[in-house]
Amino acid sequence: DAGVIQSPRHEVTEMGQEVTLRCKPISGHDYLFWYRQTMMRGLELLIYFNNNVPIDDSGMPEDRFSAKMPNASFSTLKIQPSEPRDSAVYFCASSFGTANYEQYFGPGTRLTVT
Amino acid sequence: AQRVTQPEKLLSVFKGAPVELKCNYSYSGSPELFWYVQYSRQRLQLLLRHISRESIKGFTADLNKGETSFHLKKPFAQEEDSAMYYCALIPDSGYALNFGKGTSLLVTP
Repeated sequence: DAGVIQSPRHEVTEMGQEVTLRCKPISGHDYLFWYRQTMMRGLELLIYFNNNVPIDDSGMPEDRFSAKMPNASFSTLKIQPSEPRDSAVYFCASSFGTANYEQYFGPGTRLTVT
Repeated sequence: AQRVTQPEKLLSVFKGAPVELKCNYSYSGSPELFWYVQYSRQRLQLLLRHISRESIKGFTADLNKGETSFHLKKPFAQEEDSAMYYCALIPDSGYALNFGKGTSLLVTP
């Protein structure tokens, strides 16, 4: 089992460009989470889905960020237009069931916006 | 709103010494508390959760509701324990992790 898969692993883009990050959760998991890690703010939740439906997107910084989960095996996080302050490591995680269940993290995507 | 505080950014101990990584939280309800760990070049992974009352790799953590703390302890640190440790909370009304900023543990020989 490859676990949670994220692509790309590294992304370097110029300010103003669109960036799409991808995540494949573990098969059978019904929760999917997107987190962002920065030096200043640490790890923070952006959005999470349950059964492909967005439940809490209060952590999404602004309208430039959007996330979708068209099916149980795929999710995207899109930034348009990107800005240098979006530079961070973006993690996807999945879990099965409620709060007592472990969240499994992907390797992360390191995004650099120049 | 809930908040998790890890007061130490970096903790350095000698091999064989006891180690305690501090975690305090602020939340008025009944949260679930976790410790996650990230070893060098590895993914963030669950170390232990308070509800399981388990000991993993010699680490234990006790939830102290009076002091709102969930400190991580190990009596004898090993070099392989060197990693980044994150304390996290899930509120009783949600499912997403609220992380502290992490403590980097360095165990030196």
